[in-house]
Amino acid sequence: DTGVSQDPRHKITKRGQNVTFRCDPISEHNRLYWYRQTLGQGPEFLTYFQNEAQLEKSRLLSDRFSAERPKGSFSTLEIQRTEQGDSAMYLCASSLMSDSPLHFGNGTRLTVT
Amino acid sequence: DQQVKQNSPSLSVQEGRISILNCDYTNSMFDYFLWYKKYPAEGPTFLISISSIKDKNEDGRFTVFLNKSAKHLSLHIVPSQPGDSAVYFCAASADRATNKLIFGTGTLLAVQP
Repeated sequence: DTGVSQDPRHKITKRGQNVTFRCDPISEHNRLYWYRQTLGQGPEFLTYFQNEAQLEKSRLLSDRFSAERPKGSFSTLEIQRTEQGDSAMYLCASSLMSDSPLHFGNGTRLTVT
Repeated sequence: DQQVKQNSPSLSVQEGRISILNCDYTNSMFDYFLWYKKYPAEGPTFLISISSIKDKNEDGRFTVFLNKSAKHLSLHIVPSQPGDSAVYFCAASADRATNKLIFGTGTLLAVQP
């Protein structure tokens, strides 16, 4: 069990640029979640996948955000035309089954200047 | 609309004493509750959970109590150790099938040696 891996750990970008983050879940986990955490807040749900199917998206996930999990393994989260309000920690989590605890990665910290 | 509330931003406790972290919720549909611990620069780590059909769950030094009528849960850590110093998040789920968690804002626990 190597844990959930996220890349990069930190990303600094200028407003208007596109960014993409990657998440590698624990290998046998078929559920994968994306959360966002801003300063002083707890993680907020963005979206989740069951294998390669994206089953739910939060209203927080505007049209500028897109997530994929093409082969049911790793996932990417892309933000187009970044805004300063997108600055946050983006957390990925995976779980073995629907009612198993989520295992989180260490996150990608995005700073939009 | 904060459905899960942790009203104490911080708590300081002496080593060896009991730490009590509190959490209140407003959504009566929540039926599964979890506590996560988070160290700086790391993702949240699952600690302990409780289903709404129980009022207590214990795992070593950690015990979670659930009072459904008061919509309140608490995490007890006995005895507290300096390594327990971290941010503790309370989380709740209304749908075990999706496993989508709603997090509180966290409580920073400092255990003094």
